Amino acid sequence: AQSVSQHNHHVILSEAASLELGCNYSYGGTVNLFWYVQYPGQHLQLLLKYFSGDPLVKGIKGFEAEFIKSKFSFNLRKPSVQWSDTAEYFCAVNGGSSASKIIFGSGTRLSIRP
Amino acid sequence: NAGVTQTPKFQVLKTGQSMTLQCAQDMNHEYMSWYRQDPGMGLRLIHYSVGAGITDQGEVPNGYNVSRSTTEDFPLRLLSAAPSQTSVYFCASRTQVAHGYTFGSGTRLTVV
Repeated sequence: AQSVSQHNHHVILSEAASLELGCNYSYGGTVNLFWYVQYPGQHLQLLLKYFSGDPLVKGIKGFEAEFIKSKFSFNLRKPSVQWSDTAEYFCAVNGGSSASKIIFGSGTRLSIRP
Repeated sequence: NAGVTQTPKFQVLKTGQSMTLQCAQDMNHEYMSWYRQDPGMGLRLIHYSVGAGITDQGEVPNGYNVSRSTTEDFPLRLLSAAPSQTSVYFCASRTQVAHGYTFGSGTRLTVV
């Protein structure tokens, strides 16, 4: 069964610092990869997604992610975070025989010090 | 365009009671899913559907039933509520396999 691992449970950064959140998945076939964000008290919103083509994907609010197939990774990055980026971030994957369902990681809580 | 609508937003149940969480979408999406969100565990898939009349189990289906009689509606039934089912429940829909989900605003359920 496919699975998703997010290594950092809680990340604390100062404003203007660079961000990288790790995500690894277990499935070896063709996959679709997603990053979602959940702001405090709100539901999940899609940040970006990878289906095929350019492994560097750009999303909303200055976020980007790089798909590295050899490492089964899809790390989320942002060059300079803002206080408003305080949220929980979830990596998700679907693919192969499980293409009809999306499996989520356990999430990374990001706290930004003003 | 309302998107994905979940009702109720909050609910308190006693152990052993049953109830149905409602989910409706007006985007003509084929795929719908129910997740529960618990601290430190992310979102876990309960049940999902790839179209009207077709449902399947996710990662944590025990204690829950679903049906999909129409494209728009995907209710989640708790058969006999247990304190372990205290959680926030999210319904989500999408149009194709490769597309991301649109989420509802969630139902916060407490079982006492």
